Amino acid sequence: DTGVSQDPRHKITKRGQNVTFRCDPISEHNRLYWYRQTLGQGPEFLTYFQNEAQLEKSRLLSDRFSAERPKGSFSTLEIQRTEQGDSAMYLCASSLAGGGTSTEAFFGQGTRLTVV
Amino acid sequence: QQQVKQSPQSLIVQKGGISIINCAYENTAFDYFPWYQQFPGKGPALLIAIRPDVSEKKEGRFTISFNKSAKQFSLHIMDSQPGDSATYFCAASKDNTDKLIFGTGTRLQVFP
Repeated sequence: DTGVSQDPRHKITKRGQNVTFRCDPISEHNRLYWYRQTLGQGPEFLTYFQNEAQLEKSRLLSDRFSAERPKGSFSTLEIQRTEQGDSAMYLCASSLAGGGTSTEAFFGQGTRLTVV
Repeated sequence: QQQVKQSPQSLIVQKGGISIINCAYENTAFDYFPWYQQFPGKGPALLIAIRPDVSEKKEGRFTISFNKSAKQFSLHIMDSQPGDSATYFCAASKDNTDKLIFGTGTRLQVFP
């Protein structure tokens, strides 16, 4: 499968615990995005990377959230001291940008986080 | 501030009928308008997209109509099928590789 892969698919955690999600983009894609989707809503942009550089962060991304893309390949999203309001589907997407060639964003299947 | 407004919230259509979903945007800098289809437990998948230099784009049973002056665009699904039952999201961005601003979604149910 050469699509966007996210791990884990589901995560249940106790309030106050830290969680980390992983996203593996389509291999040649240089842009990687994180979105959050709550029930009955559209995805909301959190942050995105071009290669290893984090280019933009939404104000939704509180200090408890951190994202990395250390070698411009996979990315991790960490949430520290989780709160019940963090319960959501976390979606990763990737695209190819620049050099005269660009693609639309392809989404992974998401990681569903439940904070109890 | 919601930059992309979508309606209706839900839609029930008979098999073979036409499904119409509408979106309106605020930011005139947007120049890429995709529609995504999402099934339960799955990530959104691109259905069709349009840029403001054309007023209509058709791909199979799916058509986007775009009205730049009104800052509105809509998705038409012709000959709707039960397999089209899903949640549809409109979105907008400044180009097809920029962050997407999504609408709130329309849950479509197509009954046989």
